[in-house]
Amino acid sequence: DTGVSQDPRHKITKRGQNVTFRCDPISEHNRLYWYRQTLGQGPEFLTYFQNEAQLEKSRLLSDRFSAERPKGSFSTLEIQRTEQGDSAMYLCASSSWTSGSPGGELFFGEGSRLTVL
Amino acid sequence: AQKITQTQPGMFVQEKEAVTLDCTYDTSDPSYGLFWYKQPSSGEMIFLIYQGSYDQQNATEGRYSLNFQKARKSANLVISASQLGDSAMYFCAMREGRVNAGNMLTFGGGTRLMVKP
Repeated sequence: DTGVSQDPRHKITKRGQNVTFRCDPISEHNRLYWYRQTLGQGPEFLTYFQNEAQLEKSRLLSDRFSAERPKGSFSTLEIQRTEQGDSAMYLCASSSWTSGSPGGELFFGEGSRLTVL
Repeated sequence: AQKITQTQPGMFVQEKEAVTLDCTYDTSDPSYGLFWYKQPSSGEMIFLIYQGSYDQQNATEGRYSLNFQKARKSANLVISASQLGDSAMYFCAMREGRVNAGNMLTFGGGTRLMVKP
């Protein structure tokens, strides 16, 4: 499978614990994005990497959230001191901008669903 | 103001008929891109179609076409010959600015399409 993969697919944790999600993008894609989707809503942008550089961060990304992409390949999203409001689906996407995809469309993974008890 | 508005929370369509899903957008940036994604119950976001703000012709991809009316700021998705497998959530999304600056998308609230046999 050469698509975007995310791990774990599901995570249940208690309030106050830390969680980490991993995303492996499509190998030739240099751009990587994290989005959050709550039930019944569209995804909301969290952060964007081009190669290893984090170029954009949403105001939704509080100081409890940190994302890294250390070697410009896989990325991790860590949430510290989780709160019940963090319960959501965390989606990773990757893209490249080529003549074959002039819009640079995002290819999404299946998401990591977080439940905070 | 909402940047992306999808006014139809849910829609029914008879199998083999065409259906139009509405999307209006709001931006003052002359360069932008519009996307439609499908999200089946499995949760994965599937890219359908892209329209750039400078594209002269409406985008088409198989059974999907985008009715782009720039002056009205609308980008409606038309699905021809509906199939049972088209039943899903559909999201309209917008990128403001040029694609080489990154695809930080703003999504609408979605439309749930249900295809009746």
